[in-house]
Amino acid sequence: AQSVTQLGSHVSVSEGALVLLRCNYSSSVPPYLFWYVQYPNQGLQLLLKYTTGATLVKGINGFEAEFKKSETSFHLTKPSAHMSDAAEYFCAVSENSGGYQKVTFGTGTKLQVIP
Amino acid sequence: AAGVIQSPRHLIKEKRETATLKCYPIPRHDTVYWYQQGPGQDPQFLISFYEKMQSDKGSIPDRFSAQQFSDYHSELNMSSLELGDSALYFCASSFRDRPYEQYFGPGTRLTVT
Repeated sequence: AQSVTQLGSHVSVSEGALVLLRCNYSSSVPPYLFWYVQYPNQGLQLLLKYTTGATLVKGINGFEAEFKKSETSFHLTKPSAHMSDAAEYFCAVSENSGGYQKVTFGTGTKLQVIP
Repeated sequence: AAGVIQSPRHLIKEKRETATLKCYPIPRHDTVYWYQQGPGQDPQFLISFYEKMQSDKGSIPDRFSAQQFSDYHSELNMSSLELGDSALYFCASSFRDRPYEQYFGPGTRLTVT
C-alpha cells in the first residue's frame, strides 16, 4: 500500500526566500511521484513529476524536486519565493495496482508568501 | 491546448436529491478518473474508466455511480445526497499507457443543503 506524508500543513516564507515543502512516501514498488498546485477555487495543476531517469526534476514556475530513494523523499524547492506562489501544494504518489495506476495524495501544504 | 472540461462548475442541491456531474477528457485521452476533495481535505480517488469499462474503484459510496461513453466523456451520478457529499469533484484524464500523467479539470463544486 502506498501513502504520502507532507510535513507541515502551513508554511510561511518571505518573498525572495527559499521555498522547501517536504514530502515523504511509502510504496511497495518503484513509485511515480508528483507535485500539484491548487490555487483558491481552482483545479489541480501539475507542477512536476518523477517517473524514471534523472532524480532531480524541474517543473513549471521555477520549482524543482529531487527523488531520494534512500530517504523515500520527494521534497519540493524553489530558490526564491514569489507572491504568486501562494497556494496549496499536494504531493502525490502513483503505483501500479492490479494493472492500473492508483494515485494517492498527501494532505497538502498551504504556502503563504509574506511581502 | 485543450484541457479537461467539467460541467457544471457549481451545483447546489438539497438533501436526498440527485446530481449528475459531467467530464469531457482531453482529446484522444481514453481514461477518465474521478476524485472527491472535501473541505480542507486532500483529493480522494473515487473511480476510473477505460474504454467505457470501470478500471479501478476507490472510496466511492454505493449511492454514487459513474459511466464512460463512446466519446470518452464520463458522468458521475450521485443519488440520495447527504450533507457530507458537499465537496469539490475533480475529473482527470490520461492515455491508458501513461496513467501517471493525469491532467485534472477545474472541478465541480457541489453544495448540499
